[in-house]
Amino acid sequence: QKEVEQNSGPLSVPEGAIASLNCTYSDRGSQSFFWYRQYSGKSPELIMFIYSNGDKEDGRFTAQLNKASQYVSLLIRDSQPSDSATYLCAVFGIQGAQKLVFGQGTRLTINP
Amino acid sequence: DAMVIQNPRYQVTQFGKPVTLSCSQTLNHNVMYWYQQKSSQAPKLLFHYYDKDFNNEADTPDNFQSRRPNTSFCFLDIRSPGLGDAAMYLCATSRDLAGGVEQFFGPGTRLTVL
Repeated sequence: QKEVEQNSGPLSVPEGAIASLNCTYSDRGSQSFFWYRQYSGKSPELIMFIYSNGDKEDGRFTAQLNKASQYVSLLIRDSQPSDSATYLCAVFGIQGAQKLVFGQGTRLTINP
Repeated sequence: DAMVIQNPRYQVTQFGKPVTLSCSQTLNHNVMYWYQQKSSQAPKLLFHYYDKDFNNEADTPDNFQSRRPNTSFCFLDIRSPGLGDAAMYLCATSRDLAGGVEQFFGPGTRLTVL
């Protein structure tokens, strides 16, 4: 089992709809969870992070964390073509390690 | 603006010819990281420095070395690049190693090995 797993996609969503991106992780003791966006050929940029169970909202983005199910998701409301990118889930503290472990990312395409 | 800078943005080298990639930061962060990212794969941590303390990942090949001469600069040395080392190399910084601390990425260096 991979430490951080994401569906590689591609995930295709119509403009204006809600895009839902999912991530599971192997270690229930993991501490914090990050969502990065990466445009093709560019470096990752942080969208948001979450470390408590429940929802965290920032503008059009909502992160959801369920530690019991070892599951974290990112919802993008009112999807725009500019949201088309690869979304990387990263988990800090797997097996106590002081580092981020990234999933391979989900490629999201927003269709006008 | 405070930022993470990587040079060069694109590097072409020959098989077996040593290459050095550079990273600098104006954020005054304690931690600097080097990641390798191959096409359609997750960024893979190679090593990091916490101040002057070096931490090598267990599966990082000996072919990869790093130097941090001061707080602002960190270098990645690839002693004998192979074709499999062609990738995007990402430098990142963070204020600390704690769980809730953001990592800031530089623009990356795309390495091609001929």
